[in-house]
Amino acid sequence: EPEVTQTPSHQVTQMGQEVILRCVPISNHLYFYWYRQILGQKVEFLVSFYNNEISEKSEIFDDQFSVERPDGSNFTLKIRSTKLEDSAMYFCASRGGLLYEQYFGPGTRLTVT
Amino acid sequence: DQQVKQNSPSLSVQEGRISILNCDYTNSMFDYFLWYKKYPAEGPTFLISISSIKDKNEDGRFTVFLNKSAKHLSLHIVPSQPGDSAVYFCAAIPKIGSNYKLTFGKGTLLTVNP
Repeated sequence: EPEVTQTPSHQVTQMGQEVILRCVPISNHLYFYWYRQILGQKVEFLVSFYNNEISEKSEIFDDQFSVERPDGSNFTLKIRSTKLEDSAMYFCASRGGLLYEQYFGPGTRLTVT
Repeated sequence: DQQVKQNSPSLSVQEGRISILNCDYTNSMFDYFLWYKKYPAEGPTFLISISSIKDKNEDGRFTVFLNKSAKHLSLHIVPSQPGDSAVYFCAAIPKIGSNYKLTFGKGTLLTVNP
C-alpha cells in the first residue's frame, strides 16, 4: 500500500541553524501539506502546496519557513534559522485530486537546543 | 482558537464494548469531517469521514454520526478491541475552495482494556 515517507525521523539542531525536513508523498497525489504538533498541543496546519506553488499558509508559516518540490518525488520544508519554539513533530501529508482525505507520514521530531 | 473541540482527553472501555468518541465544532463553514487514529511515534492514520450532506457513515466496526444542527459528531467503534487503543483526532475541512486544510481537535486517548 502506498505511503508517505519522511526523513529524518529525528533531527536535533542548535538554535539559529537551518534545517530541511524531507518528505516523499504518495506518487500520484497532487496536493501536499505540512503540519506540526508541539508536545501536548493539537496538530496545526502550516502550509499547502499545489501545482508547484503555495496555495495557503498559516500565521505560523512566516519568512523563516519555505517549501519546495525540487523534483517529481520530494517535498521539503526548510526552516532558515530555527528557534527553540520550533521544536515539534512535523508531519507531511498528501492528497489525491478527488478525495478529501489526507495521508500522513510518520513525522520528523525536530528538537532545537 | 478552538474551532474543533474534543472535550474528553481520555476514554477507557472494556474489550468488546462500544467506544463513543465525541467532537464539537463551532465553524458553520466546515463541510467535511474526518477521524484519524494516531499511535505513539507514528503519523495520523485516516479512519473514516463524513460529508455534511450525510448524517451517518459506516465502515466495518467504525461509524461516524453527524448532527449538523448541534454541530456535533461522534465516532462509534463496536466492538472495541485492544488494538484500537490510540489517540483519536477529529478534523474538519471548510467548504470547497479552501485548499482542504485540516483543522484538528486536541484528540482523545482511547484505552481498550482486555
